[in-house]
Amino acid sequence: GENVEQHPSTLSVQEGDSAVIKCTYSDSASNYFPWYKQELGKRPQLIIDIRSNVGEKKDQRIAVTLNKTAKHFSLHITETQPEDSAVYFCAASWGNFNKFYFGSGTKLNVKP
Amino acid sequence: EAQVTQNPRYLITVTGKKLTVTCSQNMNHEYMSWYRQDPGLGLRQIYYSMNVEVTDKGDVPEGYKVSRKEKRNFPLILESPSPNQTSLYFCASSPLARAYNEQFFGPGTRLTVL
Repeated sequence: GENVEQHPSTLSVQEGDSAVIKCTYSDSASNYFPWYKQELGKRPQLIIDIRSNVGEKKDQRIAVTLNKTAKHFSLHITETQPEDSAVYFCAASWGNFNKFYFGSGTKLNVKP
Repeated sequence: EAQVTQNPRYLITVTGKKLTVTCSQNMNHEYMSWYRQDPGLGLRQIYYSMNVEVTDKGDVPEGYKVSRKEKRNFPLILESPSPNQTSLYFCASSPLARAYNEQFFGPGTRLTVL
């Protein structure tokens, strides 16, 4: 089945800096790639997603890029703020689009 | 208020004692799914359902059962729980049958099996 790898597992940045989280996937049939943010003790929430017919998508300070050839996609957060501190998960969906595979998560710490 | 609810939120049980975790959504979503979250492993899909009476295995279905008799409910059943099923469980729902859209997660159920 699909295998999604996520790096780094932890990331510490200074407030105002940029943060980049990378994921790779193994199945070229995957065509939907969401990113979820999970604050401590809370449920995951979708922050951005991208489909395989798009190379990049941006929403204010958050952007996601997709390289289908290399089978990797990345989350970019610019001008980080302390409230961006959370665990971020990437995911890939494939086949009949109903099965989801998540990465192992990245704990982002934004230092004020 | 549109939401996904789970009950119980916390449960401590013993090996072999059957239990059910309920999940309910009031958004008329077709798609529902169960995940378990373990440190360092992220979220792993247990089962999912595209609609009433339609369920399928996710990545880690062993030791779990589900049913989808009504659109709003998707209970997770552990018929003989074991300690390796100690985990944080999330139910999620999505408005499209193909889940090509945002999944809304419930608050989570923390299960401990002794």
